[in-house]
Amino acid sequence: DAGVTQSPTHLIKTRGQQVTLRCSPKSGHDTVSWYQQALGQGPQFIFQYYEEEERQRGNFPDRFSGHQFPNYSSELNVNALLLGDSALYLCASSLWVGIAEYNEQFFGPGTRLTVL
Amino acid sequence: KQEVTQIPAALSVPEGENLVLNCSFTDSAIYNLQWFRQDPGKGLTSLLLIQSSQREQTSGRLNASLDKSSGRSTLYIAASQPGDSATYLCAVLQGGSEKLVFGKGTKLTVNP
Repeated sequence: DAGVTQSPTHLIKTRGQQVTLRCSPKSGHDTVSWYQQALGQGPQFIFQYYEEEERQRGNFPDRFSGHQFPNYSSELNVNALLLGDSALYLCASSLWVGIAEYNEQFFGPGTRLTVL
Repeated sequence: KQEVTQIPAALSVPEGENLVLNCSFTDSAIYNLQWFRQDPGKGLTSLLLIQSSQREQTSGRLNASLDKSSGRSTLYIAASQPGDSATYLCAVLQGGSEKLVFGKGTKLTVNP
């Protein structure tokens, strides 16, 4: 049973560039969330996708956008990169069963983004 | 605004010792609480999920408790091993929300 996968593993970009990160959810899962983890900090929620729509968004600027495809995979796009966007970007998947208490999120290995 | 705090920030223990990691949260309106393990530069591995209606969960040498009314959770690790060395994060699924709110983690080192 494949877990959550993310690509690429590492990425180096320069300020002002744009980047796309990809995530495939755990088999059977239909919901994908994205988190940003700065060094020494806990992950911060960016947004969540369900049924190909953004269900909730955290406190991140519009430079951060996403998409979910019919096969439940997802992309995170960041435009006009800043030095402060350097972080580990984590994707989490879950299966919506209608009862929030049962919502367990499973994380991928992350994409390390470095902005120079 | 929900805030999650983990104490201590770092902990070093000899192999074989039993230990407790603490997590506190400011808003008791949560759906559940998850404990994760993170190895350096890696993703998060889910260890235990405690639903808001539950008091504790156990998996092998791990036992997690939840006291929602006081805003506290503990992760108990029995007979620690060097392979347990990692950062342990707790996160609450905020009520009325889809997002996990994380603490900054406790970095655990188990010395052989």
